[in-house]
Amino acid sequence: AQKITQTQPGMFVQEKEAVTLDCTYDTSDPSYGLFWYKQPSSGEMIFLIYQGSYDQQNATEGRYSLNFQKARKSANLVISASQLGDSAMYFCAMREVNTGNQFYFGTGTSLTVIP
Amino acid sequence: DTGVSQNPRHKITKRGQNVTFRCDPISEHNRLYWYRQTLGQGPEFLTYFQNEAQLEKSRLLSDRFSAERPKGSFSTLEIQRTEQGDSAMYLCASSRPYPTANTEAFFGQGTRLTVV
Repeated sequence: AQKITQTQPGMFVQEKEAVTLDCTYDTSDPSYGLFWYKQPSSGEMIFLIYQGSYDQQNATEGRYSLNFQKARKSANLVISASQLGDSAMYFCAMREVNTGNQFYFGTGTSLTVIP
Repeated sequence: DTGVSQNPRHKITKRGQNVTFRCDPISEHNRLYWYRQTLGQGPEFLTYFQNEAQLEKSRLLSDRFSAERPKGSFSTLEIQRTEQGDSAMYLCASSRPYPTANTEAFFGQGTRLTVV
């Protein structure tokens, strides 16, 4: 089974609007971390935001927030006030504390911000 | 610049040749990861080191692939007898010591390999 599932291959958003990128995950480890990375065309993976499995509140970092619904095993990324520079690939990733040390990545969502 | 550095950025090689990539992690990071990313896919785990010890290898890492981190600092990834299917972006990442779930990995800009 896929550890991370991103069902939106491509998304479009109008500049200054908000957009939600979906991510669901699968794990039996009670302790895990969820991450979102941005990958511009240059190729570098840029860390955006983190959510721990025991965190009570949704994570926020500037214009990024993570909508964490543990029972549904979803960790959607919300980008508010989209900017042209937000156009990139976005990857959801998970790291399990007790069962491994690698990061599992989804297939990504390509976000295009329209002026 | 104190980020993760990868060299070369691009490599074109003929099928059957050997190639070697280098990764310099962030200096205080003791964990180092190699990932492979093909077009339209997310990064796939290859292997990781804690200091100089290679602690985990993916089944993707065939016997043509070898990774080293001799002094616990920089790492090399070698691919022997390259095949066209090896064409991909090879990403290196590092993370802080004694990571817990909330330790993010910092990635380099990758080495794009094209096998012709």
